[in-house]
Amino acid sequence: AQSVTQPDIHITVSEGASLELRCNYSYGATPYLFWYVQSPGQGLQLLLKYFSGDTLVQGIKGFEAEFKRSQSSFNLRKPSVHWSDAAEYFCAVGANDMRFGAGTRLTVKP
Amino acid sequence: EAQVTQNPRYLITVTGKKLTVTCSQNMNHEYMSWYRQDPGLGLRQIYYSMNVEVTDKGDVPEGYKVSRKEKRNFPLILESPSPNQTSLYFCASSPTANTEAFFGQGTRLTVV
Repeated sequence: AQSVTQPDIHITVSEGASLELRCNYSYGATPYLFWYVQSPGQGLQLLLKYFSGDTLVQGIKGFEAEFKRSQSSFNLRKPSVHWSDAAEYFCAVGANDMRFGAGTRLTVKP
Repeated sequence: EAQVTQNPRYLITVTGKKLTVTCSQNMNHEYMSWYRQDPGLGLRQIYYSMNVEVTDKGDVPEGYKVSRKEKRNFPLILESPSPNQTSLYFCASSPTANTEAFFGQGTRLTVV
């Protein structure tokens, strides 16, 4: 079965700084990969997804992620963080079913 | 509007009192699933359904039941709730098992 690891439980960045959230997956083939964001008290919203093709995918709110097969990684990036980006971020792997990482909570300092 | 609707949003109940959390989607999705979210553990899958009358256990099915009699509905049943089932529950639907999931707003359940 597939699995997902998000090594960072909590990350704090200053507003305007760049951001990278890490995600590693375990699966025998290339799975479908997703990043979701959860704002406080809300459900999960899809940021971006990778199925195949270009390994750098663009998402909503200025986020992007890069699939690296050799590293089994799908890290999420944003060049300049805004205070409204403070939320919890989940990486997910879709294969036989959907598996989520434990999440990374992002705090943005003014 | 395409959506997944869960009810209730908040529920406080007592140990042993049977309850049902409803989930309905209007996107004609084949795949539906239930997750519970606990701090530090992310979302753990409770049950999923590939289609009508087809359900299967996820990672943490103990203490829960589901049914899928119609495509749009996927209720979660707690026959005898216990305090360790206090959690935030999400229902999700997607066209297939490995494609984008659409989530409900969540149900915060407290069992005392």
